[in-house]
Amino acid sequence: GAVVSQHPSRVICKSGTSVKIECRSLDFQATTMFWYRQFPKQSLMLMATSNEGSKATYEQGVEKDKFLINHASLTLSTLTVTSAHPEDSSFYICSARGLGFDANQPQHFGDGTRLSIL
Amino acid sequence: AQKITQTQPGMFVQEKEAVTLDCTYDTSDQSYGLFWYKQPSSGEMIFLIYQGSYDEQNATEGRYSLNFQKARKSANLVISASQLGDSAMYFCAINTGTASKLTFGTGTRLQVTL
Repeated sequence: GAVVSQHPSRVICKSGTSVKIECRSLDFQATTMFWYRQFPKQSLMLMATSNEGSKATYEQGVEKDKFLINHASLTLSTLTVTSAHPEDSSFYICSARGLGFDANQPQHFGDGTRLSIL
Repeated sequence: AQKITQTQPGMFVQEKEAVTLDCTYDTSDQSYGLFWYKQPSSGEMIFLIYQGSYDEQNATEGRYSLNFQKARKSANLVISASQLGDSAMYFCAINTGTASKLTFGTGTRLQVTL
């Protein structure tokens, strides 16, 4: 149980393109989803927390107009990187927690998306 | 604010031997959770083990055990009988508060050798 699917797994696109990444909880309802960014050989950095039906909460230093997050249903959250540039190239990974989950239960992660902007 | 420190950027261990990956943490919260995740080269994050701040016994999950020393604020991961498939990055993380935000350490790259 507690499977999170992330799509696409890899994207290569030209500078200026907007890229949408989907994060789906397959067998549970995810009231909260988290979006992380990981540069090569570095740790995961939380970008934003999204709660179903409300605006995402962004971490300090993350541009909310650059990284648009939508969490319109209990099973889907999307991250759109708008007008992507080479410096946005990174590994993006989502995680989810569900209804009634103990705050100290593990987050369930998707498999991540490798984004390369040429 | 919370902080996780992993002082070992890389570790080597021989197959079938045990290895300890270090993790220290800093938080002012009384209630918190400590997690270890494994990240293979393919990128996915695999949950390994969890320790709650009020748990009196060290957590164990198969070959994984967590050496929790609350007074020293350390939560070291012990992997017994290492296997080649254990080669990966290992991240320690802390979770405090109802927001459940995870703060990760910088990770330790473990290489298991023959």
